Amino acid sequence: AQSVAQPEDQVNVAEGNPLTVKCTYSVSGNPYLFWYVQYPNRGLQFLLKYITGDNLVKGSYGFEAEFNKSQTSFHLKKPSALVSDSALYFCAVSRFSGGYNKLIFGAGTRLAVHP
Amino acid sequence: EAQVTQNPRYLITVTGKKLTVTCSQNMNHEYMSWYRQDPGLGLRQIYYSMNVEVTDKGDVPEGYKVSRKEKRNFPLILESPSPNQTSLYFCASSKTGGANEKLFFGSGTQLSVL
Repeated sequence: AQSVAQPEDQVNVAEGNPLTVKCTYSVSGNPYLFWYVQYPNRGLQFLLKYITGDNLVKGSYGFEAEFNKSQTSFHLKKPSALVSDSALYFCAVSRFSGGYNKLIFGAGTRLAVHP
Repeated sequence: EAQVTQNPRYLITVTGKKLTVTCSQNMNHEYMSWYRQDPGLGLRQIYYSMNVEVTDKGDVPEGYKVSRKEKRNFPLILESPSPNQTSLYFCASSKTGGANEKLFFGSGTQLSVL
């Protein structure tokens, strides 16, 4: 069965420091991987996705993610965190199965960036 | 502006009183879906629709109904709400529902069933 794990409920980072939000997945076949961000009182917004090709994917707001097939991971990273990056981050895996797009979300990781 | 619009933003109701949460998108998307978000569980799919008059169950469909009579609209219906349906609900859409497509989300509906 497909699954996504985000092992940390919360990540705390000082402004200006690099940040990593972890995600591991379990899916048969080739995965399509996504990161979404949810700001307070807002819907989820797409950040980036991995479909195929280069393992390092660049996305919105300076975020990037690295696909590691051997470790089945897709960690979200940013070289220098901003206070405005504080939000809830969701990793998701998608696979076309049974005729439709089955998207499985992780439980979410709350990122808190402190001044 | 391309968007998914949900209404209402907040809803408090009582057990058993039928309610409808509306969802509309202006991007001519074929695929629409409803999710509920609960702490520690992430987002779980309730129902989805691949096109007009084509709907199917997601992972947690019990207690919900949907309809897709027009391409732009995908209302979520709770005919007899119960307290375990208290949750944050999101409508989402994408162009065709392809596995590599990003989803566009509405701003959410916070539902409380007393």
